[in-house]
Amino acid sequence: QVQLVQSGAEVKKPGSSVKVSCKTSGGTFNNYAISWVRQAPGQGLEWMGGIIPIFGPAEYAQKFQGRVTIIADESTSTAYLELSNLRSEDTAMYYCARGRSGSFGSADYWGQGTLVTVSS
Amino acid sequence: DIVMTQSPDSLPVSLGGRATINCKSSQTVLYSSNNKNYLAWYQQKPGQPPKLLIYEASIRESGVPDRFSGSGSGTDFTLTISSLQAEDVAVYYCQQYYGSPPYTFGQGTKLEIK
Repeated sequence: QVQLVQSGAEVKKPGSSVKVSCKTSGGTFNNYAISWVRQAPGQGLEWMGGIIPIFGPAEYAQKFQGRVTIIADESTSTAYLELSNLRSEDTAMYYCARGRSGSFGSADYWGQGTLVTVSS
Repeated sequence: DIVMTQSPDSLPVSLGGRATINCKSSQTVLYSSNNKNYLAWYQQKPGQPPKLLIYEASIRESGVPDRFSGSGSGTDFTLTISSLQAEDVAVYYCQQYYGSPPYTFGQGTKLEIK
């Protein structure tokens, strides 16, 4: 059974960085696309970026270029999202999601979400 | 970026009634070489991550009740719930995953009981 388990909630100061992990189990980590999607309180879903470990470099939404880094550790089947220079607008629930058949879309398994709060 | 626009924003439907949610993309999400539309539908209930309902515009994910169906091609898509159940109250999102990132979502449609 496929599971994505994310790290716990974070409270960060403006200007700092946060790193969220997503540990996968029950599937072949390298062949699937892992996306990071965020959802601000009461708002919709926003695709931030993703990685297919077997193919290497992550892809990012232009909006987050320069502030976001997504990596995959094949030895532990864990993906990471790091977001830097945090501002209050980054307060959101952050989800990792596994895409079907190597696609970044049509995500069939999701993590439980990690709440990141940015506050001074 | 491909902009996804859903309508309506909010949809009240009677129990047992038919719910229709529309999603329009600013450019085609139909890949002509394989005739696949790279469009998915998700359901999200409060406090939960989204759940995949439909992918490639019309293929129902395993375990999803057959009252949920997806249709459309190119730039215009529809999610239909044929007979609304109480457990279907949720926010529904479409997402395109065509070509290069970002793989954008619609703004969401809140489905409620009339």
